[in-house]
Amino acid sequence: QSVLTQPPSVSAAPGQTVTISCSGSSSNIGNNYVFWYQQLPGTAPKLLMYENNKRPSEIPDRFSGSKSGTSATLGITGLQTGDEADYFCASWDNNLSAWVFGGGTKVTVL
Amino acid sequence: QVQLVQSGPELKKPGASVKVSCKASGYTFSNFGVTWLRQAPGQGLEWMGWVSPYNGNTKYAQKYQGRVSLTTDTSTTTAYMELRSLRSDDTAMYYCVRGGSGTGKGWFDPWGQGTLVTVSS
Repeated sequence: QSVLTQPPSVSAAPGQTVTISCSGSSSNIGNNYVFWYQQLPGTAPKLLMYENNKRPSEIPDRFSGSKSGTSATLGITGLQTGDEADYFCASWDNNLSAWVFGGGTKVTVL
Repeated sequence: QVQLVQSGPELKKPGASVKVSCKASGYTFSNFGVTWLRQAPGQGLEWMGWVSPYNGNTKYAQKYQGRVSLTTDTSTTTAYMELRSLRSDDTAMYYCVRGGSGTGKGWFDPWGQGTLVTVSS
């Protein structure tokens, strides 16, 4: 049972837009940054978004992040087959004094 | 470029210990913490703890307190994760990553390639 809640899967056709939600509480997302990681099949995760909505330089602007209250959202526009991966959200939890993750969302390009 | 290279896969029996290494290159090792996470087969990510190469400070997830040790060797820019009293449910891919902290600052980037630890009799 993950501390942060994500939908198990989302899917869309190439070129379409998907959004992935990440729900937490005041002890984590509500008072700390949210980070997103992309895990392509058979590989290690990679940083996709940091401090809620900042992209590392190599990440295309098709990826966006936002946070509101105790929830966060990752958006992917212009979906490509290369975007098929698992996406994890993460945040620090003040009560647990630990980093916590969502269970991951599998993105499928139809 | 910044890179973390981990040691190879391990097969251990229940009750044994495992020590995974993580060789860092491409940056000043003592300037960034090293975080260890694991991912059981088909499961999500789990934070195990963090170590500072600068002063050796550590922060462990409560679940692993007393069973895991995180250390670093600044002379070889290598971080180590030792997990003791292994059980079958410790079978997982173990990752070292640069960054994070014991207080919620920073982020995890980049990641090592992962080390598969299999616990089986």
